Amino acid sequence: ELKVEQNPLFLSMQEGKNYTIYCNYSTTSDRLYWYRQDPGKSLESLFVLLSNGAVKQEGRLMASLDTKARLSTLHITAAVHDLSATYFCAVDISRQFYFGTGTSLTVIP
Amino acid sequence: GAGVSQSPSNKVTEKGKDVELRCDPISGHTALYWYRQRLGQGLEFLIYFQGNSAPDKSGLPSDRFSAERTGESVSTLTIQRTQQEDSAVYLCASSLQRYEQYFGPGTRLTVT
Repeated sequence: ELKVEQNPLFLSMQEGKNYTIYCNYSTTSDRLYWYRQDPGKSLESLFVLLSNGAVKQEGRLMASLDTKARLSTLHITAAVHDLSATYFCAVDISRQFYFGTGTSLTVIP
Repeated sequence: GAGVSQSPSNKVTEKGKDVELRCDPISGHTALYWYRQRLGQGLEFLIYFQGNSAPDKSGLPSDRFSAERTGESVSTLTIQRTQQEDSAVYLCASSLQRYEQYFGPGTRLTVT
């Protein structure tokens, strides 16, 4: 059974600090996606990682993919309150998207 | 419209009733997905449409759930004889081939 695990599930961090969210998956895939979901809202695409070693950055967020380790990371640099949301990773296996459990991030002033 | 739209935004129904949820994908997007998100949970894949190919129904939780799509346009998700455990947000997404998905705002279904 395919598993997509994220950790931590809950993250409370102070503004200005750095942290990394991890996404592990249990089967081979060369496509991984990160999404953001604000409370009561739908999902917003953040990053699409299409190959081993892919790294993408947007503002204070940077995502990377290691397909050999079946691991993706979402690194947060100098967090700000606006980044508070739930972050999901998703793995594309034969056109089905399997989502992680989500990481609920709260940035405290 | 510019994005994926879904209707209704909220639906309250009595246990045992049938409901239909609608999704309008982004024009030109050949792929369409339905997901279920229970409160505080991640997304659960339900069904996938790609062009005129047979849909991938492997995620549908029971035979009470069905979905249709007309060509590369509107899709409807039907839940028959609703149960309380069907209460969730139902999200639709569309994409161009296998690339990133664009999600609709969701339909919040409450079964009383």
